[in-house]
Amino acid sequence: DTAVSQTPKYLVTQMGNDKSIKCEQNLGHDTMYWYKQDSKKFLKIMFSYNNKELIINETVPNRFSPKSPDKAHLNLHINSLELGDSAVYFCASSQGEPPRGRYFGPGTRLTVT
Amino acid sequence: EDKVVQSPLSLVVHEGDTVTLNCSYEVTNFRSLLWYKQEKKAPTFLFMLTSSGIEKKSGRLSSILDKKELFSILNITATQTGDSAVYLCAVHNQGGKLIFGQGTELSVKP
Repeated sequence: DTAVSQTPKYLVTQMGNDKSIKCEQNLGHDTMYWYKQDSKKFLKIMFSYNNKELIINETVPNRFSPKSPDKAHLNLHINSLELGDSAVYFCASSQGEPPRGRYFGPGTRLTVT
Repeated sequence: EDKVVQSPLSLVVHEGDTVTLNCSYEVTNFRSLLWYKQEKKAPTFLFMLTSSGIEKKSGRLSSILDKKELFSILNITATQTGDSAVYLCAVHNQGGKLIFGQGTELSVKP
C-alpha cells in the first residue's frame, strides 16, 4: 500500500556512467516532482510534471532528463554522472490546485565515485 | 530570488520541553506555507497554512502564519524523543514551485 515508491533506494556508481531512478505513485495524483537534497539537507526542486506534461524545469544540467510515461510514473535519467550529482533524490506527488502538501517517496541515495 | 530561511538550524532540548521553530520567507505571489517532518527518510507532511492568524493544531504540534510579517512558527509542546527530526518549512509560490528552507534539526534528549 505504498503511496510513492522509488527504486532503487541506494545507487553507487562511477563517474561517467548513465543511471535511471524510477518513481511510481498509486495515489491518483496528477502532479509529480523530482527533488534533490544535498548534504546540507536543502531540498531543491528539479522537475515537475502535470498529467505527463513538464511544467517546472529548474536550472539543472541537461544530463538530467525526466520521463513520464503516464500519470503514475515519473522516471529520472542521468547521463555522464559527476561527483557533484551525489545526493538523495526524492520523488513526490500532489493533487489539486493549489496542491495540498507533497507526498514524498523514500528517496534514492546516489553516490558517485 | 524567492527564499525561505529557518532558524535555528539545530536545537537540542530535553523531553518535556517546549520548542518553537521559526520560518521566514520572501516569495513572490505567496500561495501557502507548509511544514514537514523528516526523520531518516522522506519528509512527511505536517501542516499547510494559507491564512494569517489561524492556528493549525495536531496533538502537541501547532503552527501559525503571519502573512504581514512573512513568517511562520511551529510549536511542539511536551517534546518526546520521537520528535527528533529535521523540520522543513516550504513556501508554495504562484509559479507552482515549493521552495524549501534549510531545515531545523531538532534533537530531544531523554
